[in-house]
Amino acid sequence: SQKIEQNSEALNIQEGKTATLTCNYTNYSPAYLQWYRQDPGRGPVFLLLIRENEKEKRKERLKVTFDTTLKQSLFHITASQPADSATYLCALLYLIYNQGGKLIFGQGTELSVKP
Amino acid sequence: EAEVAQSPRYKITEKSQAVAFWCDPISGHATLYWYRQILGQGPELLVQFQDESVVDDSQLPKDRFSAERLKGVDSTLKIQPAELGDSAMYLCASSGQGRVQFFGPGTRLTVL
Repeated sequence: SQKIEQNSEALNIQEGKTATLTCNYTNYSPAYLQWYRQDPGRGPVFLLLIRENEKEKRKERLKVTFDTTLKQSLFHITASQPADSATYLCALLYLIYNQGGKLIFGQGTELSVKP
Repeated sequence: EAEVAQSPRYKITEKSQAVAFWCDPISGHATLYWYRQILGQGPELLVQFQDESVVDDSQLPKDRFSAERLKGVDSTLKIQPAELGDSAMYLCASSGQGRVQFFGPGTRLTVL
């Protein structure tokens, strides 16, 4: 079965620095790779999606890369702010005939940005 | 902005009791998902509906869990009887034509 591994340790960085989160997976590459943000006691919120044939995607201060050879995605938050503190989830989306998409989540990485 | 609604937000029950969670997806979204999230882990899919039909319930413990979406709109997830190991966050999500899932706030279940 597919396994997804994210940074197991919480990430603590200083405000203004770039946070880099890692997502590694085994087995077959997904059609899409997504990143979600989750605050304590809340549901995940979609941030970015990248297709398997794309190398990089940007949205404001966020950047995601996708390397299907390494089976890895990197998620960057530049000029980080305390408000960016949250858990970030990597999710692999597989397209299944007649079923739409199936999303498989990693365990998440907790990011803490200190002022 | 349209949101996925869930109720209750919190539920405390004793083991062997029955519990039920309700979800109202974003209007027009044909696909509805129920996930379970244990603290410190990512969400795990329990059941996926396309309109009123179940398309994936391979991870649903069918001896005690059931889910329905009778009119293809809102949905109910039931656990009977609840066990201590069922304590978790139960998340509902919906999606339309795109590849993005929109999640509700979740129901935090505690089984005593």
